[in-house]
Amino acid sequence: KNEVEQSPQNLTAQEGEFITINCSYSVGISALHWLQQHPGGGIVSLFMLSSGKKKHGRLIATINIQEKHSSLHITASHPRDSAVYICAGSMEYGNKLVFGAGTILRVKS
Amino acid sequence: KAGVTQTPRYLIKTRGQQVTLSCSPISGHRSVSWYQQTPGQGLQFLFEYFSETQRNKGNFPGRFSGRQFSNSRSEMNVSTLELGDSALYLCASSLGAGGGYNEQFFGPGTRLTVL
Repeated sequence: KNEVEQSPQNLTAQEGEFITINCSYSVGISALHWLQQHPGGGIVSLFMLSSGKKKHGRLIATINIQEKHSSLHITASHPRDSAVYICAGSMEYGNKLVFGAGTILRVKS
Repeated sequence: KAGVTQTPRYLIKTRGQQVTLSCSPISGHRSVSWYQQTPGQGLQFLFEYFSETQRNKGNFPGRFSGRQFSNSRSEMNVSTLELGDSALYLCASSLGAGGGYNEQFFGPGTRLTVL
């Protein structure tokens, strides 16, 4: 069993739909990161959170420490949101990240 | 502020050769982490350097090594290349020492192909 698990692996949505990507972890982490990777490889950090909820534009990330679960929501999805979304946990010592397998999101117009 | 830069962006090598990849972190960042990304294994942690010291190492063979210089620039080296080393190698820099609360900023990656 992987230490960080994501679901779904693949997700296709129509433009405008509300999207949720889930992440569960089984290890002790200091913070949960949501990352976005576009074709070509570049990774952008979307959120880093250790409790509660964060919002940036149409993106919302939540974390439940007791349940070891986090969700990434995209409201009013747009084709430009098409990318791979990766959750990762950072360990208590250092800056090592442990990654989920990623969710491939395709938003159709 | 300039972002994280990695050179070269693309590399083609043959089995048995060695390769050195370079990463320049964001100015002022002292932590550099290296990751390998393959279609089969996804993203995996290689190692992390902070102030020229390796602090963490992932489960990779000794052929994978790295170092960090006094200006925080980092290099990783892979010796005796194998076909399975073909991957996207990403580095990420962070401002702080760790404890898990530091945002990481990723470079564009170096795509290594081993023939």
